[in-house]
Amino acid sequence: EVQLVESGGGLVKPGGSLRLSCAASGFTFSSYSMNWVRQAPGKGLEWVSSISSSSSYIYYADSVKGRFTISRDNAKNSLYLQMNSLRAEDTAVYYCARDPGGAARFFDYWGQGTLVTVSS
Amino acid sequence: QSALTQPASVSGSPGQSITISCTGTSSDVGSYNLVSWYQQHPGKAPKLMIYEGSKRPSGVSNRFSGSKSGNTASLTISGLQAEDEADYYCCSYAGSSTPWVFGGGTKLTVL
Repeated sequence: EVQLVESGGGLVKPGGSLRLSCAASGFTFSSYSMNWVRQAPGKGLEWVSSISSSSSYIYYADSVKGRFTISRDNAKNSLYLQMNSLRAEDTAVYYCARDPGGAARFFDYWGQGTLVTVSS
Repeated sequence: QSALTQPASVSGSPGQSITISCTGTSSDVGSYNLVSWYQQHPGKAPKLMIYEGSKRPSGVSNRFSGSKSGNTASLTISGLQAEDEADYYCCSYAGSSTPWVFGGGTKLTVL
């Protein structure tokens, strides 16, 4: 069974940093692209960042470019999101999501999410 | 990259059919047959319902169908059931620089 479990969320002050993790199991992690998608309270989904299976290709939404860094450790079946210079508007539930990569472009499995709150 | 445009809400009675539209541009929906649709119940993670415009993942009811015309994709739910009440989001591949763009979401109410 495919499982994605996020962790690392919490309360952080504006300008602070946080590192999110996503532990994957039930599939060959190194064969899939992975993504972070966030959802502000009461709002819609927003794609944040993507990383290809071998970390060769990395993309960011303009809203987080230069502040967030996505990475992965295929040996540990884990995905990460380092978030720096956090702003109030980064407050959201952060989901990790798998996509098959290649010609396939969709998110077939999602984690349960971890809440990040940026507030003084 | 701007968000795709969805109606804020739609409603229907049990047994009826509804359609949710998702309008993008020639840079996203119009350029790729790579629209996906997600269902999200309150407090839950999104669930893939349709991918590549009209394909259903294993386990998704055939009451859910997708289509596309020009820059607009659509999700149709037939034979509405109470458990279909949820938020629905469309998403399109938008090219290599900013790969994905989501719609703003549509709240489906089953009357």
